[in-house]
Amino acid sequence: DAKTTQPTSMDCAEGRAANLPCNHSTISGNEYVYWYRQIHSQGPQYIIHGLKNNETNEMASLIITEDRKSSTLILPHATLRDTAVYYCIVRVAGGNKLVFGAGTILRVKS
Amino acid sequence: GAVVSQHPSRVICKSGTSVKIECRSLDFQATTMFWYRQFPKKSLMLMATSNEGSKATYEQGVEKDKFLINHASLTLSTLTVTSAHPEDSSFYICSARGSLNQPQHFGDGTRLSIL
Repeated sequence: DAKTTQPTSMDCAEGRAANLPCNHSTISGNEYVYWYRQIHSQGPQYIIHGLKNNETNEMASLIITEDRKSSTLILPHATLRDTAVYYCIVRVAGGNKLVFGAGTILRVKS
Repeated sequence: GAVVSQHPSRVICKSGTSVKIECRSLDFQATTMFWYRQFPKKSLMLMATSNEGSKATYEQGVEKDKFLINHASLTLSTLTVTSAHPEDSSFYICSARGSLNQPQHFGDGTRLSIL
């Protein structure tokens, strides 16, 4: 599975959009981009995933570049409860492993 | 959404005892379950993958006789840490997935402390 690169940490003001970037320049055509987050002392929470098209659900939007070498997770109106470590993971469709990197620590501040 | 329940959430026990952790998928059938381990301020590390009715596949460096995994039904997997020692103290997290194209959903983890 392709490796991903994320910034170590980011700050965001409460109520503003949080844009979390992820580079996956070696992604293969059959690999999906998954986003999870982990709030302190809890298990990871699934957020969203996509292959080529942009995706949106009740939690977030996922924007994938046309060449699929990078993506951005958007939390449209960040709240203090969105403070967490956000993981961007690429995985082959139907593949087993989710390999977690270091992720991005997002701090939402009032 | 898909719910995975993990029990217990925290356990403290003496060195040498065995500890069993349960992972249940509450509202879907989990054909595959996964066990992860996380040390403080580190990322999750996959320990093993189990498919219902089959033997678990362990990651390199994970002792299968130390960490016994049973996935006897489509809604339950267990991890038993045998003869636990202080270095086994960690945060253990399970996840479950239905069909191949569905995302994994995680339990809330078990914090294991061995004295």
